[in-house]
Amino acid sequence: EAAVTQSPRNKVAVTGGKVTLSCNQTNNHNNMYWYRQDTGHGLRLIHYSYGAGSTEKGDIPDGYKASRPSQENFSLILELATPSQTSVYFCASGDNWVYEQYFGPGTRLTVL
Amino acid sequence: QQQVRQSPQSLTVWEGETAILNCSYEDSTFNYFPWYQQFPGEGPALLISISSVSDKKEDGRFTIFFNKREKKLSLHITDSQPGDSATYFCAASDKASSSFSKLVFGQGTSLSVVP
Repeated sequence: EAAVTQSPRNKVAVTGGKVTLSCNQTNNHNNMYWYRQDTGHGLRLIHYSYGAGSTEKGDIPDGYKASRPSQENFSLILELATPSQTSVYFCASGDNWVYEQYFGPGTRLTVL
Repeated sequence: QQQVRQSPQSLTVWEGETAILNCSYEDSTFNYFPWYQQFPGEGPALLISISSVSDKKEDGRFTIFFNKREKKLSLHITDSQPGDSATYFCAASDKASSSFSKLVFGQGTSLSVVP
């Protein structure tokens, strides 16, 4: 059974709208991460969390907020979506070792 | 600015050949280098990793060669199989502990293995 799940798997949003991407993990990992994947850029870190109630800015946080209400759940929020945020978003969880992360299946977001 | 660079961007090999994927980095503080494998429609999955104290790490048909002086590493896939067709990401971090470090990913190499 998948340990990191994401919803929705596909999303079409309008420019200026609010988008919330959700992630759930059953690994009981302390750390969770949000990345976006774009051709030519690989995976880039947006926000991450060390545990419930904590969020930290990654390398490209502008235009994104994150929320970690519980150990299992980590959300990525786009308050005012723009076409430049069209991408595939991956959530991951991990524990002690930063190089060992477990990824979800991704959410494909299109902002029109 | 890309701190971790991969080449080639895409690679095609015949079944049974050895595929060689290259990775280089700029930051001399990087010490841990995982490789992730991603199949279409899925998230990346950790394949194999190496730390800078080693110059080679082997796991079955997958081997990482590491050259600290040149800041280069490569992933060799011997006896390539069609099931190895995927995108491979090289990543780097300065510390092992997730409390103090983040992963920086390269842009990926798309590998196709032709039967």
